[in-house]
Amino acid sequence: GESVGLHLPTLSVQEGDNSIINCAYSNSASDYFIWYKQESGKGPQFIIDIRSNMDKRQGQRVTVLLNKTVKHLSLQIAATQPGDSAVYFCAGALNSNSGYALNFGKGTSLLVTP
Amino acid sequence: GAGVSQSPRYKVAKRGQDVALRCDPISGHVSLFWYQQALGQGPEFLTYFQNEAQLDKSGLPSDRFFAERPEGSVSTLKIQRTQQEDSAVYLCASTLGTGPYEQYFGPGTRLTVT
Repeated sequence: GESVGLHLPTLSVQEGDNSIINCAYSNSASDYFIWYKQESGKGPQFIIDIRSNMDKRQGQRVTVLLNKTVKHLSLQIAATQPGDSAVYFCAGALNSNSGYALNFGKGTSLLVTP
Repeated sequence: GAGVSQSPRYKVAKRGQDVALRCDPISGHVSLFWYQQALGQGPEFLTYFQNEAQLDKSGLPSDRFFAERPEGSVSTLKIQRTQQEDSAVYLCASTLGTGPYEQYFGPGTRLTVT
């Protein structure tokens, strides 16, 4: 089955710097990828998604890059703010009996210091 | 508008007790997912509903776990004869359609089995 994991469990950045969170996936059949942010005691909150027919997608202060050749995803956050401190999860999905059930990685904790 | 809601937010059960966890998805959302999130881990898929039909329950850990969505809206996850290893946060998510769309998550129910 799908296996999605993260290279770095924790990331500490200074306020105003750019952050990059990396993620590797194993199932080349995955055709949908998504990043979530989760704050303590809350459910995951959508950040940005990308389909496998794209290699880049931009949102407000965030960019997701998809490299299908090496099965790698990254999330870039520009001008990181203290409110960005949270755990970030990448997830992959493919059409199956479970709809597009998400297969999550372990998460990266992002800490933004003033 | 209202998001996904879950109740109770916290549940403490003695080992051997039965529990029922409720999910109210966003109105009109066809797809509903249940996930289990252990401490420090990413959410793991439990089961998937398309309207009232449970299309995939392959992620349910044992036959003590049962989920239903009888009218295609509210869903209940029931755990019989709870065990300590059932302690986790149970997350519900819904999407408007059946394709690769953002899943809207509820805040979760934190279950602690003592």
